[in-house]
Amino acid sequence: DTEVTQTPKHLVMGMTNKKSLKCEQHMGHRAMYWYKQKAKKPPELMFVYSYEKLSINESVPSRFSPECPNSSLLNLHLHALQPEDSALYLCASSPETSRSEQFFGPGTRLTVL
Amino acid sequence: GENVEQHPSTLSVQEGDSAVIKCTYSDSASNYFPWYKQELGKRPQLIIDIRSNVGEKKDQRIAVTLNKTAKHFSLHITETQPEDSAVYFCAASSTSYDKVIFGPGTSLSVIP
Repeated sequence: DTEVTQTPKHLVMGMTNKKSLKCEQHMGHRAMYWYKQKAKKPPELMFVYSYEKLSINESVPSRFSPECPNSSLLNLHLHALQPEDSALYLCASSPETSRSEQFFGPGTRLTVL
Repeated sequence: GENVEQHPSTLSVQEGDSAVIKCTYSDSASNYFPWYKQELGKRPQLIIDIRSNVGEKKDQRIAVTLNKTAKHFSLHITETQPEDSAVYFCAASSTSYDKVIFGPGTSLSVIP
């Protein structure tokens, strides 16, 4: 399996809701990432996990909470989001954290009402 | 920290012509330079990459060149086809900062 999968594909939530995004890879990659992408902009790094440990948090607000239950799974827990958090959330994985290709999932299109 | 600039932001070419996208980076420690293509509504996908010990790399119609002294790298697409229409992101990476820094992107349109 050479793909990164993400669920759900689309998510609409209110500002008081709690939801989770899920990401899975079975390529044996040791690094996993969450990115946020706005229209016509590059992916913006949020979090990096290396060997299941959080290695980089790009000063992301605490209403976004990542979790890496095991080497194949990555979650992003959402709580009390703002409308400006509406975006495409991309998960990616790579064999190592630098100097290697990142494989992106199809993304979750999030709308916060 | 590392900063990657990319030009042009939009590029329109006739089918069959060549397209060139240029990027610059600021951190001399950067040593891996991938290029990603993102079609509308799709995920970014790697099309070619180059490491700092190489000056040029080619894969069929796509080539990348790297000038470490000037901190420039470029993507060259020859014999463009309509399916080359997409947003292209250059990027830089290094073990010293352990992540990938993306350029702002170039929207390429190939006119049939």
